[in-house]
Amino acid sequence: DAKTTQPPSMDCAEGRAANLPCNHSTISGNEYVYWYRQIHSQGPQYIIHGLKNNETNEMASLIITEDRKSSTLILPHATLRDTAVYYCIVSAFGNEKLTFGTGTRLTIIP
Amino acid sequence: SAVISQKPSRDICQRGTSLTIQCQVDSQVTMMFWYRQQPGQSLTLIATANQGSEATYESGFVIDKFPISRPNLTFSTLTVSNMSPEDSSIYLCSVEDLRRGGYTFGSGTRLTVV
Repeated sequence: DAKTTQPPSMDCAEGRAANLPCNHSTISGNEYVYWYRQIHSQGPQYIIHGLKNNETNEMASLIITEDRKSSTLILPHATLRDTAVYYCIVSAFGNEKLTFGTGTRLTIIP
Repeated sequence: SAVISQKPSRDICQRGTSLTIQCQVDSQVTMMFWYRQQPGQSLTLIATANQGSEATYESGFVIDKFPISRPNLTFSTLTVSNMSPEDSSIYLCSVEDLRRGGYTFGSGTRLTVV
């Protein structure tokens, strides 16, 4: 049973920011928020992770609410290649298995 | 980040036969994880493989059906035994990336059982 809730699907116009929400109201103090994406039948690709501070890397930004019960992944300028299923996962750091939910199928519209 | 080479990338097998999937990592890792992704579904963990000990299987998966080897810190194999069409899935290995954080996944093995 996944510990996160995500909308099943979203559309975003090419060039616009894609904002993907995730609820994780039962997150524990030692659990990180991870985001992965899976582009059609390829292996999941790591995007970003965070504990309580907002994080940014070359792929995306992660905004975590102060109470840590939800987060938003932001793809600042979505391209067609960002069309994928995006998974939000909470997990403690250190060789702990990942529990995948159903994710959000993001479609970038030309 | 860690680099994983997973082989084969795909195969079509006859029912009743077995297929062994290999996963090679470019760095030493403590644990390796094996996942299954059935058509149209999300990923489900099969087992966790530690070097030098027996793998730990998740509920619904048994060693006789999915034997795992972990001979050293960079390599593991998963065998899908006595296959049936219901075993048609993508099988993926994964390792934790201690330098970057998070986990790295292999490209997957797409198995079709006919």
